[in-house]
This record gives sequence, structure tokens and C-alpha cells, in this order.
Amino acid sequence: DPKIIQKPKYLVAVTGSEKILICEQYLGHNAMYWYRQSAKKPLEFMFSYSYQKLMDNQTASSRFQPQSSKKNHLDLQITALKPDDSATYFCASSQDTGSQNTLYFGAGTRLSVL
Amino acid sequence: TQTVSQSDAHVTVFEGDSVELRCNYSYGGSIYLSWYIQHHGRGLQFLLKYYSGNPVVQGVNGFEAEFSKSDSSFHLRKASVHWSDSAVYFCAVSPITGNTRKLIFGLGTTLQVQP
Repeated sequence: DPKIIQKPKYLVAVTGSEKILICEQYLGHNAMYWYRQSAKKPLEFMFSYSYQKLMDNQTASSRFQPQSSKKNHLDLQITALKPDDSATYFCASSQDTGSQNTLYFGAGTRLSVL
Repeated sequence: TQTVSQSDAHVTVFEGDSVELRCNYSYGGSIYLSWYIQHHGRGLQFLLKYYSGNPVVQGVNGFEAEFSKSDSSFHLRKASVHWSDSAVYFCAVSPITGNTRKLIFGLGTTLQVQP
């Protein structure tokens, strides 16, 4: 059974709309992350959270807002969607944010913005 | 600037062959190095990592990687591949600074194992 659940698996949106990507982890981890995988680009770090607090934000746009309602949840709200936002978004978690910790990834949400 | 370079976008081998997937990095400080595998339509799965000690580290499913400080490399190897090893392999660097756990990935190498 997957321990990191991302919903939905596929998502199609129109330009200008707003979507929420869901992520729940059942590994008992304290740190959660979002990464983005765009075509022809490496996986790109977006956010890290530890104990539901933002630790690092490498996303230039405020249109991307993580939301953590519980320690094992880290959703990603994206507003005013643009075609360039089309990518696969991966949620990940680790025991904590120490550098030695292994990251575990979900299966991703593939977002297409038309 | 921190970079991770995977020079081969695609590698094709036959089942039973050995394979080496190359990874070179550019970073001035202390780092963790790791490899991940991504099967089609799936999330990334951890294979192995290195920080210090023996430069050859063993991972899951017969994979190993060797760190070379002089070459700034962390190449992944397997002695005898199986068709199920067909996937995209990502090398990643994690700077050891502060308390942020951030992975910097290469573009990935697609390994195709033919029967």
C-alpha cells in the first residue's frame, strides 16, 4: 500500500482557475515537501515543512501556497493557473529535515493547464 | 551554483549486461549524494546514498554507487540488469547547510533493458 497518497493522479484545469493538490503521508514523518517536475527540466524543490511550519520556500510566485491542516497533510493550493504551471507535482516526506534523512515520494499529480 | 549533471539521457542494454549510469556534480560544500529510481507513472524510490566513509555504497536490488571526490562523481552501477530495472534514474545532491532538507536533481537517465 502506498504510504504517501497524492490526489488526484491527473488534473486538467483552465487558465486562471484555482486547484488544490492533496498529499497525505502515513509514515509518521515530521517533514513534508513539494517538488515539481516539468518537461525537459530536473525535479525542482518548491517547499519544505517541518511540524507544520514552513522551513524553506524556493517558489518565486505567491500563487503557490502550501496548506498543512494536520502534521501528515501538506496540500498545495495553486491560484490563477497558467499553462506554464503544467507539470507533475510530487509530494515527499522524511523523518525530519536533517540532511541525512531519506526522502520518500508520492506517485505525483500530473497537472495540465489549458 | 549547485548543479547535477547526468550526461546520458538514454542508455539501452540487454538483460544480463552490466550498466553504469554517470552522475557528476558541482558544489563547494559538504553534501549527501543519492540515487532515486522512477518507474513509469510512479513516484521516485530511494536507491542509495553516500555521505562519508567507504566510497562504494550498496543499495537495493543489486545497485551500488561509487563516490569520487577528485572527479566530483557518483556513478551508479549494476553488474547484471533485469528487465524490471527499466526506469528513469535520478542522481541528487543534498547540501548539508542549515536545517533544510533540499534535493537538487539531475535531469535523469532513462535505462531501457531489452530481453
